[in-house]
Amino acid sequence: QKEVEQNSGPLSVPEGAIASLNCTYSDRGSQSFFWYRQYSGKSPELIMFIYSNGDKEDGRFTAQLNKASQYVSLLIRDSQPSDSATYLCAVKGWRAAGNKLTFGGGTRVLVKP
Amino acid sequence: EAGVAQSPRYKIIEKRQSVAFWCNPISGHATLYWYQQILGQGPKLLIQFQNNGVVDDSQLPKDRFSAERLKGVDSTLKIQPAKLEDSAVYLCASSLERERSEQYFGPGTRLTVT
Repeated sequence: QKEVEQNSGPLSVPEGAIASLNCTYSDRGSQSFFWYRQYSGKSPELIMFIYSNGDKEDGRFTAQLNKASQYVSLLIRDSQPSDSATYLCAVKGWRAAGNKLTFGGGTRVLVKP
Repeated sequence: EAGVAQSPRYKIIEKRQSVAFWCNPISGHATLYWYQQILGQGPKLLIQFQNNGVVDDSQLPKDRFSAERLKGVDSTLKIQPAKLEDSAVYLCASSLERERSEQYFGPGTRLTVT
């Protein structure tokens, strides 16, 4: 079992719709959860982080965390073609030294006009 | 605020040759990370420094990879000798020393081993 799992996609959504991305993790004691966006040929860019159960909203993005079920999700509302990218979920386990993150393989999102 | 700087951006070498990558973190960031990202996969941590000390190098192939951060600022990652499977993007990231600090990535170095 991978430590952090994501559906590789591609997740195809029409422009203006909601894109829903899921991520599950194996370390029940994980503390911090991050979503990065990575455009093709570029480096990952931090878009959201969440530490507590529940929802956290930032603009068109909402991160949802459920520690009991060990999943974290990202919703992108009013999806735009510029949102087409790979979205990486990253998790810090409770045993992780410093701020070590374990990344999932990423979900590719395609927003079609 | 300047971001994480890396050089070179691209490198092509033959197998068994050596190569070095350089990283300058965001000013004031005590923690520095080197990741390897193979095409189609998420980044994998190779080594993590806090100031000039190694915090985690459990996934660094120490028979061929080495890294240093002598003055607690810039860092160099070296591969010697390179193998075909080392073809990847090498990403440097940095963060503040405090708990739950977010990591910020540099532009990466794309290495092709032929």
